[in-house]
Order: sequence, then C-alpha cells, then structure tokens
Amino acid sequence: DSGVTQTPKHLITATGQRVTLRCSPRSGDLSVYWYQQSLDQGLQFLIQYYNGEERAKGNILERFSAQQFPDLHSELNLSSLELGDSALYFCASSPNSRGEQFFGPGTRLTVL
Amino acid sequence: AQTVTQSQPEMSVQEAETVTLSCTYDTSESDYYLFWYKQPPSRQMILVIRQEAYKQQNATENRFSVNFQKAAKSFSLKISDSQLGDAAMYFCAYRSAYSTNAGKSTFGDGTTLTVKP
Repeated sequence: DSGVTQTPKHLITATGQRVTLRCSPRSGDLSVYWYQQSLDQGLQFLIQYYNGEERAKGNILERFSAQQFPDLHSELNLSSLELGDSALYFCASSPNSRGEQFFGPGTRLTVL
Repeated sequence: AQTVTQSQPEMSVQEAETVTLSCTYDTSESDYYLFWYKQPPSRQMILVIRQEAYKQQNATENRFSVNFQKAAKSFSLKISDSQLGDAAMYFCAYRSAYSTNAGKSTFGDGTTLTVKP
C-alpha cells in the first residue's frame, strides 16, 4: 500500500458525459500527478500540482482539467467523454517535485 | 523532449535464473532520475529501483540491480534468482531533477516479463 488513495476504483459511463476522479496523496506529500494508461500501453503524464498550484502540464486534452485543494487532495475532471478516453487513470504523489513518485491503485474508466 | 525506449516488448526467464531488461533514454539534461516500476496483473505501479544520474554507483535492491551507463544513456535492470512473483510488466521511467521540468516523468512502453516454473 503506497498510501495514495483513489476513488472510485471503477467507473462506467457513456459518451458525452462528465466524470470526476479523486485522489488523496500520502500524508505530507505536496505534489500530485495524474497519468493516463490506455490498454497495454505506457503511462502518459497529464498534469502535476504542487501545493495547490499547477506546476507541469503534459499532453492533457482541453476536455480534461484538474485542481488541487487546500487539503492537498486532487480531482481530475473529464468532460465530453469519448470512447478513446477509456483507460486506467493513476494519481501519484511525492513530497516535492523531485525523486520518486508513489502511485495510487488507479481508477479504471470505461466509456460506452 | 526526453524519450525512453524499451526495445524488448516481451521477455521470459526460467525460475531461479537471471534476466536483464533494457532501457535507453535520450536527454540533454545532466541531472535526472531513472526508475524501474513493476506493474503486476493487479495494475498497481510499484517502484522497484531508482538511480540518480550524479551517482556513479549502480543501485541495488535485493535481487534487483541496474547497470547505469550515463554516457551511453542506458539503464538496464537485472533480476537475479527470478521468482514467479516477478512476472509483470516493467516500465523504465525518466524524471528531470530540474524544478522546471521535474514534474514531467516520461515512461517507456514497458516490457512484459514471463517467469517459467
């Protein structure tokens, strides 16, 4: 157990819908990262927040947005969902912006 | 932009034998971190080992060790005395040590390791 929690574990929804994925980092970690892993593929970095502020951005679609709240939990919002958005979404955290990241168990999103 | 290449989509090893997974990367930075992550069928991402670029000594963690060749930009993972529980997808990852880029980890496409009893 990495100490990073993600909810929900599974999410099934329809095209065009909007969903919110939630992440609670390890106690004391200020940085939160979001990744997308499509079937049998590597991880694609989406976005990083550090202590409430956006710090780095990857190939995140405009339909996706994220935020980190004062209690340091983070939410990833996915809107106008398409079939291709079906993937495993990981949250990771680290004490700062350096060193290793600790991954949560992921949220499996299925768009029908 | 940094790239990470894992040239072996699949590897297999006999239980108790040794296997080496390859990883190469491309970067213009001099200070960075390299990682190997294991992803078993549960899909949980588990950190196996890390290497800091400024350290010349290769990292080791029990049965896992790396061969870090900075000039060649190579970072291979050696698993000794392979066990059935080592069967998983293994990802090589790069992360900048510079604060402006440190958030952007780059992962390879992974190597699926099969362990035969």
